[in-house]
Amino acid sequence: DTGVSQDPRHKITKRGQNVTFRCDPISEHNRLYWYRQTLGQGPEFLTYFQNEAQLEKSRLLSDRFSAERPKGSFSTLEIQRTEQGDSAMYLCASSFLTGGVLPYFGPGTRLLVL
Amino acid sequence: GIQVEQSPPDLILQEGANSTLRCNFSDSVNNLQWFHQNPWGQLINLFYIPSGTKQNGRLSATTVATERYSLLYISSSQTTDSGVYFCAVSFGNEKLTFGTGTRLTIIP
Repeated sequence: DTGVSQDPRHKITKRGQNVTFRCDPISEHNRLYWYRQTLGQGPEFLTYFQNEAQLEKSRLLSDRFSAERPKGSFSTLEIQRTEQGDSAMYLCASSFLTGGVLPYFGPGTRLLVL
Repeated sequence: GIQVEQSPPDLILQEGANSTLRCNFSDSVNNLQWFHQNPWGQLINLFYIPSGTKQNGRLSATTVATERYSLLYISSSQTTDSGVYFCAVSFGNEKLTFGTGTRLTIIP
């Protein structure tokens, strides 16, 4: 296993379109996180899963955003009716346990909404 | 929520120089991590250091939890050290709060 993978790596879409991103965590990791990073800022937490359960959602995650993790494996993040303000890097991370086990981040999906 | 401030925001150094990056946080934490984001956007874990001192090669980090700050030291800088360094903290939950980062540029 070579780490967390994300697909696609880049996405350009027009305002109003829907987009979906996929994250494949490290296989034995039961925790999966989504973060969003805008230009010049640090990543901001969006949501996290333990196995298939979504345990916390940030207020940043408006009703246009939905995340799933069926069967506790890969996860998808969908953005409906995209807006220009959604342009950002979307980062996925996974970990096995808390208490010192570092989350491993994927390479990110860079979204540009025109 | 917890506030995280990093300084300096930008740092330009000659290859071979040493540097110190600082992270201040506004409340008690039980998780503090340092990350390096390379020019392609990949975040790499450097240290998990809620307290104490750790060293890994040319990098070391110290966190003084009672005074709510952490320092990242880079010695004998190389051009591959360029990128943005982030401090991230949390307390009692899974949500990491990141600082705005220090952009380090190493000139050959």
